[in-house]
Amino acid sequence: QSALTQPASVSGSPGQSITISCTGTNSDVGGYNYVSWYQHHPGKAPKLILYDVSDRPSGVSNRFSGSKSGITASLTISGLQAEDEASYYCSSYTSSSTLVFGGGTKLTVL
Amino acid sequence: QLQLQESGPGLVKASETLSLTCTVSGGSIRSSSYYWAWIRQPPGKGLEWIGSVFHSGSAYYSPSLKSRVTISVDMSNNQFSLKLSSVTAADTAAYYCARHGWATWASDIWGQGTMVTVSS
Repeated sequence: QSALTQPASVSGSPGQSITISCTGTNSDVGGYNYVSWYQHHPGKAPKLILYDVSDRPSGVSNRFSGSKSGITASLTISGLQAEDEASYYCSSYTSSSTLVFGGGTKLTVL
Repeated sequence: QLQLQESGPGLVKASETLSLTCTVSGGSIRSSSYYWAWIRQPPGKGLEWIGSVFHSGSAYYSPSLKSRVTISVDMSNNQFSLKLSSVTAADTAAYYCARHGWATWASDIWGQGTMVTVSS
């Protein structure tokens, strides 16, 4: 299985909004609403910020939102804050009963 | 509150078997709602799913690692384990254990991770 495709990097200024895309195939992203997003700060464990495309776990800021169209899922972060600077990964359940991650996107807050 | 903690050697020789254990505390590994997973991150690279196991022992593995991986459950000790055989330098990574829902496959709880280096 191939990794989901994410942009290597994105950037934005505090207060702005950014969107990170995650492109797969009809066997993963396009076939199921089981897309998750993780925030990963260096040296720490990844943190789940969205699941089932757009649902937020308890305690996660509503500045994080998700959507999906066809084989591409998207994470939007609104009202960027310095603490949002991290790497972001998408993942998807696949038709082979496996899990696949995206290559990761490094977010820089300018 | 459920917590996960990885343990095992930080250095493994090439061609040998990497063995890690994840201890589950604050909850039971017997839960029917969750799978228990291993995920790794090589230095400077992204996350890679290795495999997941249910408390019954039923497991799913990454196709690229399937021939070398075994993930098992020890319910008496509330632990699950990873064995990766015939390791090479490419297996050098931070290894995380995690819990994910059986339906959503979203990993809501992670261990802190443990770095494993494969030496030649």
